[in-house]
Formats: sequence, C-alpha cells, structure tokens
Amino acid sequence: GAGVSQSPRYKVAKRGQDVALRCDPISGHVSLFWYQQALGQGPEFLTYFQNEAQLDKSGLPSDRFFAERPEGSVSTLKIQRTQQEDSAVYLCASSLAIRGEANNEQFFGPGTRLTVL
Amino acid sequence: AQKVTQAQTEISVVEKEDVTLDCVYETRDTTYYLFWYKQPPSGELVFLIRRNSFDEQNEISGRYSWNFQKSTSSFNFTITASQVVDSAVYFCALRGFQKLVFGTGTRLLVSP
Repeated sequence: GAGVSQSPRYKVAKRGQDVALRCDPISGHVSLFWYQQALGQGPEFLTYFQNEAQLDKSGLPSDRFFAERPEGSVSTLKIQRTQQEDSAVYLCASSLAIRGEANNEQFFGPGTRLTVL
Repeated sequence: AQKVTQAQTEISVVEKEDVTLDCVYETRDTTYYLFWYKQPPSGELVFLIRRNSFDEQNEISGRYSWNFQKSTSSFNFTITASQVVDSAVYFCALRGFQKLVFGTGTRLLVSP
C-alpha cells in the first residue's frame, strides 16, 4: 500500500483480556517502530525492528507487552492481561533506511486506539 | 539521556497571525536529527521537516520556517499567516541512534 496501515483502528478490551495489534509497514521498509501515545502526551518509544530482528525493546513497559515481526514485514504488538493504564494510541512507523543513515524519516500509521475498561 | 521540551501546551491565534512554536532539546550525542511532526484531529503523525546537527541553516517552506540554534539547543517552528487548517498538535522530536524522542506537543488553535 501507499502508507503504513494499522488494524484495528479502535479496540475496546475488558481488563485482563489479551489483545493483538497489527502493523503493515510500507513495502520494502527495513525498519519498524512501535510507539505508545497516552492522552495528551507525545508518543513514547516501545520497540524497534530491523527486518525480523528486534534490536531494541527497552521501551516495553512490562513483560505483558510482546512484539514480533517474523518475516520482516508485518508486525504484531501483543498485550497480555490488559490493564487500564494500557489505554492509549499505539502507533507504528516504518523507515526505508537502516540505523544511522541520514535519510531515514519514520512514516507513521494512523494508530490503534486501545481502551481498556 | 535525550529530552525534548515544548513548554507551550496550547496556543490560540486568529487566522493570518504569525505563530512560533518553541522546542528545546537535550542530548549528549554529537550527531543527531531534529524533527517536527503535525498531528491533526485524525491522529496520524505527518512529517514536516528533518534537520541534522551539522546543518544550522534556517529553512523556509511556504508559510513554514524553522530556526535551528545549537548554541541554545532550540529548534523553533514558525507559521506565517496562519490558517484554520493549521489547527493541530505539533510535536518536536529528537533522534540519535534510531528511536524518536518526542516532546509533549503544542496544540495550535487557529480561529477564523
């Protein structure tokens, strides 16, 4: 597709449920990022993939959060046993270049708004 | 550690006014990149500009201009002759190695 797509756009979960959020990056983009944006805040980094390798997961807030990109394209962010504090918009971004290269703008998807009741 | 501060939470202007959004950053990296993104009500982050730490030239793109000053660690964004369509949240961001570090954003409201 032309841009980064994410699904679902909206997700309502009951506390304790598991959720899976999907990201389809721009075709050919090597790098993929997940960010969490709480209401009224800026996005905060969660994790980063280069192809299928997860090179940085330092931003994942707890071991309930898990991300994968098994074939180096589509990525899934999974949250187990959701809590109310997990309510946020989850943004996915992809970039063409590998780390350190200059022309590596991150292009963002529309996000998935997760509400945990 | 890297940090981006956008002290202005919300700015309200009337159409055709000029407005400047402030951004101050902290980093120990010698090579880094600064960005501005726009987030309209639809929620998607729209890339506006990237500057690298070695290029302090100011840039103008239509009604938008950016002032990068390493001496004060600032990367300010000015919209000239603002329009209602400029209403959005604007984020300044810093990138060192890979991840973007965002400020808390400035909400710009442009009224007719």
